[in-house]
Amino acid sequence: DVKVTQSSRYLVKRTGEKVFLECVQDMDHENMFWYRQDPGLGLRLIYFSYDVKMKEKGDIPEGYSVSREKKERFSLILESASTNQTSMYLCASSPPGTFYEQYFGPGTRLTVT
Amino acid sequence: GNSVTQMEGPVTLSEEAFLTINCTYTATGYPSLFWYVQYPGEGLQLLLKATKADDKGSNKGFEATYRKETTSFHLEKGSVQVSDSAVYFCALKQGNKLVFGAGTILRVKS
Repeated sequence: DVKVTQSSRYLVKRTGEKVFLECVQDMDHENMFWYRQDPGLGLRLIYFSYDVKMKEKGDIPEGYSVSREKKERFSLILESASTNQTSMYLCASSPPGTFYEQYFGPGTRLTVT
Repeated sequence: GNSVTQMEGPVTLSEEAFLTINCTYTATGYPSLFWYVQYPGEGLQLLLKATKADDKGSNKGFEATYRKETTSFHLEKGSVQVSDSAVYFCALKQGNKLVFGAGTILRVKS
């Protein structure tokens, strides 16, 4: 079974802190994604990557950056956390050529105070 | 841009009841359509898909038919179980991305 793990299930940070969310997948997938999930808004794509060191902006990249130094790991970075970034963050990966068949991690619930 | 609209929840049903969760989409052309499910405490997982008009996707007793005339992809199940309690997301493929609906919470009572 594909396994996508995220570094924390719950995280509390203060406004202005730099925050790192880590995601690791164990199935050698080329494609990886970061979403945020908010009530009534569903999932919104922040960034995705289709290869090591490659990244593409999603629909809401402002305030975020990403890093993909190794194929299995995709990091989401909040350079200066703000309260409006309080959300559930979901990481996903997919095999090459099948962007739609995504495997998700359990999510990190981030609270910025 | 493309978008997906789902019926608002929560939907609360008794065990063995018939389930319909409505999903309609707005898109250029005929994108592939999907249903994902998120069980409590878990990540989303692909439930079923349909890649062209009139296709029927099915899995685990769930079905959905791609209806281009009504731009709909409603999810149905003939007899729900308590274990079906989850959040259900309708989605469409747009280039290299998935566009998700807001999700519909389903609660099944025993």
